[in-house]
Amino acid sequence: EAQVTQNPRYLITVTGKKLTVTCSQNMNHEYMSWYRQDPGLGLRQIYYSMNVEVTDKGDVPEGYKVSRKEKRNFPLILESPSPNQTSLYFCASSHRSSYNEQFFGPGTRLTVL
Amino acid sequence: AQKVTQAQTEISVVEKEDVTLDCVYETRDTTYYLFWYKQPPSGELVFLIRRNSFDEQNEISGRYSWNFQKSTSSFNFTITASQVVDSAVYFCALRPGSARQLTFGSGTQLTVLP
Repeated sequence: EAQVTQNPRYLITVTGKKLTVTCSQNMNHEYMSWYRQDPGLGLRQIYYSMNVEVTDKGDVPEGYKVSRKEKRNFPLILESPSPNQTSLYFCASSHRSSYNEQFFGPGTRLTVL
Repeated sequence: AQKVTQAQTEISVVEKEDVTLDCVYETRDTTYYLFWYKQPPSGELVFLIRRNSFDEQNEISGRYSWNFQKSTSSFNFTITASQVVDSAVYFCALRPGSARQLTFGSGTQLTVLP
């Protein structure tokens, strides 16, 4: 089954404790992206990757890191999480052409205390 | 820079009513793609439709229809004879031809009452 998976689905952590949210897709998509969803703001792009070893900042990259060592994986790293990073996070993937819709993972709800 | 505006934060209708969700976009690109996604209470994002900037034909899919008008930079979504299962947050999104960022609107929460 074609899908985007994220882990964990739910996470409660404390300020400053490094964490990684994993994202994996099995559709051989070149493009992958991370979004955060906050009430009243919709989804805002954090980082995206056009292909392996190619990443770029989105609209709200501060406090996040990503890597793209393999085509299928695109982990999101919060090295020192803060309460304002409490949010719902979505990973997405698509073929490179902007014509193609993005497929979204199920979301990760993160709470930083 | 791209921008998508969904001015309707929340809409509430009674089952079987028609409802239109508005989407207005801004972009300098001449080639771009517009999308609608649905987010039901379960939280996942479900792709509904894609439209490219060169195709202004309206589209109908069952009870759903979309009205794309470049002259007013709008891409509105109509649900005919709404059902309770249509209750969800609906997002409009814009992706420029450079195939990089996808910009979302803030979403419209649709509640369909029985």
